[in-house]
Amino acid sequence: DTEVTQTPKHLVMGMTNKKSLKCEQHMGHRAMYWYKQKAKKPPELMFVYSYEKLSINESVPSRFSPECPNSSLLNLHLHALQPEDSALYLCASSQELGTASEQYFGPGTRLTVT
Amino acid sequence: GENVEQHPSTLSVQEGDSAVIKCTYSDSASNYFPWYKQELGKRPQLIIDIRSNVGEKKDQRIAVTLNKTAKHFSLHITETQPEDSAVYFCAASKPHPRSSNASKIIFGSGTRLSIQP
Repeated sequence: DTEVTQTPKHLVMGMTNKKSLKCEQHMGHRAMYWYKQKAKKPPELMFVYSYEKLSINESVPSRFSPECPNSSLLNLHLHALQPEDSALYLCASSQELGTASEQYFGPGTRLTVT
Repeated sequence: GENVEQHPSTLSVQEGDSAVIKCTYSDSASNYFPWYKQELGKRPQLIIDIRSNVGEKKDQRIAVTLNKTAKHFSLHITETQPEDSAVYFCAASKPHPRSSNASKIIFGSGTRLSIQP
């Protein structure tokens, strides 16, 4: 399996809802990432996990809460989001955490906050 | 911090012609330069990459060049085809400032490439 998968594909949620995004990879990669991509913009890094531990939080608001239950899964828990949080949320993985490690992206979850 | 500039923002070429996209980076600690292709509504797809100890790399119709001294790198697509139409992002990866072993990829702003039949 050479893919990163994400569910759901689309999500519409109200500002008081709690929802979760899921990401899975079975390539044996030890680093996983969450990115946010607004329309016509490049992806922006949110979180980095290495060996199931949070390595980097790019000063993301606490209404986004990542979780890495095991080496293949990465979740992003959402609570009390704002309309400006509407975006494409991309998960990625890489073999290791190093600078020259290729990152492979999942298809993304398109999130709309109403 | 690191800044990656990408030009042009839009590029239209005739089918069969070549396309060139150029990027510059600011942080000399950057040592890995991937290029991603993103079709509308789809994931960014890694198409080619180059490491700082290499000056040029080619894969079929796609080539990337790197000038470390000038901090320039470029993507060249030859014999363009309609399926090459997409947004292309260059990126530079460097050690993360707040981690001893993590890296951070900084993306350019993207180039929308259109291949005209």
